[in-house]
Parts: sequence; structure tokens; C-alpha cells
Amino acid sequence: KAGVTQTPRYLIKTRGQQVTLSCSPISGHRSVSWYQQTPGQGLQFLFEYFSETQRNKGNFPGRFSGRQFSNSRSEMNVSTLELGDSALYLCASSLLNGGNYEQYFGPGTRLTVT
Amino acid sequence: KNEVEQSPQNLTAQEGEFITINCSYSVGISALHWLQQHPGGGIVSLFMLSSGKKKHGRLIATINIQEKHSSLHITASHPRDSAVYICAVRFNSGGSNYKLTFGKGTLLTVNP
Repeated sequence: KAGVTQTPRYLIKTRGQQVTLSCSPISGHRSVSWYQQTPGQGLQFLFEYFSETQRNKGNFPGRFSGRQFSNSRSEMNVSTLELGDSALYLCASSLLNGGNYEQYFGPGTRLTVT
Repeated sequence: KNEVEQSPQNLTAQEGEFITINCSYSVGISALHWLQQHPGGGIVSLFMLSSGKKKHGRLIATINIQEKHSSLHITASHPRDSAVYICAVRFNSGGSNYKLTFGKGTLLTVNP
């Protein structure tokens, strides 16, 4: 069974631009969560999607948004990029949502904002 | 405030040693995850537990719900165990609002 895939793996953007990251979950998994990892803050929860609906949201500004499609693939978008948005963005899929299901992580997208 | 504390922050061991990494959290949880992250970023889920103890190969994870504490043990450590180990907790915020909160991680280096 193929694992979680994320595209692109690396991305360089300029301040003020916007970016869209993609995540394809493991086949059959219906929940996708997104996380941001930085050296200063560590791993932080962004949001979780299940059945095309955002179920949970972390403490990030409205510039961070996401969506999930009917095939469970998910995208996250960051608008008006800031230097502090430079980070590793990870997505993870699980069979269902609700907290007690093992999460499978993708390799991440490393975003650099200059 | 929902917090997750890990200790130690850094750990250096000799090959073969028994390793323990600790995780404490502040309030009730629905599940606790132990994750492993190697240089380069890839994260692997090692364990998910809500009570008791789980074992996989040389790795053992325990959780004490009353004391709000979990430990990850590595027996007969090996240089390939060198990685960052992260504790992540799903606090039960009520309803369906489960949020995963992460510890800062423990950098483990196992020397041959």
C-alpha cells in the first residue's frame, strides 16, 4: 500500500506570494491533518479534515487555509507569505478522525520564504 | 493550559544501553503518540496508546493515566536508533474537538 505523498517536496517563494501544498493520503484513509514544523516552535497543529469538512483548527491566522476533496486528497494554502512561514509542512492521514487512530506522516514539503 | 513536557531534551548513549524518554502532560487526554523523526524530516509513528503498555521489537511504551505520564524505552540501543523522539498528545477538549499537541522532542544519539 502506498504511503502518504506530498507535493512539492521543496518550494521557494517570495514574501507576499501565496502557495498551495498537496497531500495524498493512504488509500482508504479519510482523515488528513496538517502540521507546521519550525526550529523555534517545533511541531504545531494546523487543521484536520474528514469527509471534506474541517473538523479541527489550530491557532494559526486566516492566511492558512485548506480543503479536502471527495477522494480524501487535501490541499493547504498560505496567502500573503511572511518570512516566518518558512517551515516544514507535514501532512498525516488516518483511517478516521476523532483522536484515537494512528497517524501516518508524509515526507513533508519544505517551504522557504525569501 | 494544555501542555506537553518531554525530558531529557538531549540524550547521548553508548550502543547497547537501555534508554528512557519521558513525557508528561497537563490535563486529560484521549490518546498519546510517540513519534520518531530522522534527519531529513520524515516522521514515523511508533506507538499510539491510551492506557497500559505496548511493545514493538526493542521499543516499549507505557502510560500512567492517573499520573499523566508516559515513557518510551529502548532496549539494547543501536546507532540506528539515533533520531528525535516526539511525544504528541490528543487533549480531550470536549465534543469532537481533538487537537494534537506536541512536546519539543528528545534528540537521542547512540554512539557505537
